[in-house]
Amino acid sequence: NAGVTQTPKFQVLKTGQSMTLQCAQDMNHNSMYWYRQDPGMGLRLIYYSASEGTTDKGEVPNGYNVSRLNKREFSLRLESAAPSQTSVYFCASSRPMGATNEKLFFGSGTQLSVL
Amino acid sequence: SQQGEEDPQALSIQEGENATMNCSYKTSINNLQWYRQNSGRGLVHLILIRSNEREKHSGRLRVTLDTSKKSSSLLITASRAADTASYFCATAQGAQKLVFGQGTRLTINP
Repeated sequence: NAGVTQTPKFQVLKTGQSMTLQCAQDMNHNSMYWYRQDPGMGLRLIYYSASEGTTDKGEVPNGYNVSRLNKREFSLRLESAAPSQTSVYFCASSRPMGATNEKLFFGSGTQLSVL
Repeated sequence: SQQGEEDPQALSIQEGENATMNCSYKTSINNLQWYRQNSGRGLVHLILIRSNEREKHSGRLRVTLDTSKKSSSLLITASRAADTASYFCATAQGAQKLVFGQGTRLTINP
């Protein structure tokens, strides 16, 4: 059982470069999320998608864009990477949070360094 | 801004002892969840307690919730080396959002 799969696991970018982080889940979940984790800051929500076709901003959306490609896939794009975006990025999925207060299932993370 | 704040930030105990971590939050919640993160891995859900519940058990885990004090505690009994990890509380505020605290780093010494 794959669960939530993120690619790549590691990435080094130069300032100004762009890249897309991929996430896919095989649990037929409606809701998907992107978080970033920084030392001493816990996890902060970047964007989320409550269902296929919808996306909403989280706490720290600036500098990012997302695409809910279909029910399985939710990608995060950095158009022009900045050193402040150096972080570990986690994708997560769940059944609709508002309906049943479901738990999140996390991927293993992408460690991104922007030089 | 972070909703939940864990206390302590770091905790080191001997194997077999009990570990207690606390979480405080600021606004009303639908539920509160605890997650574990092993080094270099994603978070794993441990337990969920709803706002109308006061205590919940799961194996060696015991969670309490005091909505009047806006606080929760996670107790791990009879700790093992494998319990070494970071523990996060997360609060569900309305639909679709879980807000995480900064975490408690727990070390179990053999």
